[in-house]
Amino acid sequence: DGGITQSPKYLFRKEGQNVTLSCEQNLNHDAMYWYRQDPGQGLRLIYYSQIVNDFQKGDIAEGYSVSREKKESFPLTVTSAQKNPTAFYLCASSQRDLSQDTQYFGPGTRLTVL
Amino acid sequence: KNEVEQSPQNLTAQEGEFITINCSYSVGISALHWLQQHPGGGIVSLFMLSSGKKKHGRLIATINIQEKHSSLHITASHPRDSAVYICAVRGPWGGNKLVFGAGTILRVKS
Repeated sequence: DGGITQSPKYLFRKEGQNVTLSCEQNLNHDAMYWYRQDPGQGLRLIYYSQIVNDFQKGDIAEGYSVSREKKESFPLTVTSAQKNPTAFYLCASSQRDLSQDTQYFGPGTRLTVL
Repeated sequence: KNEVEQSPQNLTAQEGEFITINCSYSVGISALHWLQQHPGGGIVSLFMLSSGKKKHGRLIATINIQEKHSSLHITASHPRDSAVYICAVRGPWGGNKLVFGAGTILRVKS
């Protein structure tokens, strides 16, 4: 059963700590994306990766870091430099990073900073 | 002004009603998406449009490129249609980058 998994579903973090959100896909997709969703706002792109070992900043990359060491995995680290990290984080993938490709979304991780 | 505006922000309907959700955008686009976000947070793609109209079951999506406007219609609405409906556009900037509207929260009462 192909799809995207994100873990954990809920995550609590103390202020000042780094935390890593997991995203795994078994769709054999080259491109992967991380979005942030805040109440009343549209999804915003944090980082994206077109291919293994390569990634680019999105619109709101400050305070975040990513890696793409394997095709199926694209973890997101929320660092202590991110001033307002409480949000819902969504991972997505598409076959390639081309305009005709549909993006498939994971179930999301809700991060709360205490 | 946001590049993608949706209306209404919130919509409550009675079961069986015909529902329309609107999306206006300010940039030239190569495609427009309608997405559905369930209460648990997961998002599924409903339609990708670049012109005309598409239909899937009780859902119909239309787009008018000249007017920079799209609508999502739900016929014979049902409580299971309750979700957030999100419009997203893919512009001429290349790649697969999407710009998202804030979403329309739909509640269908039985």
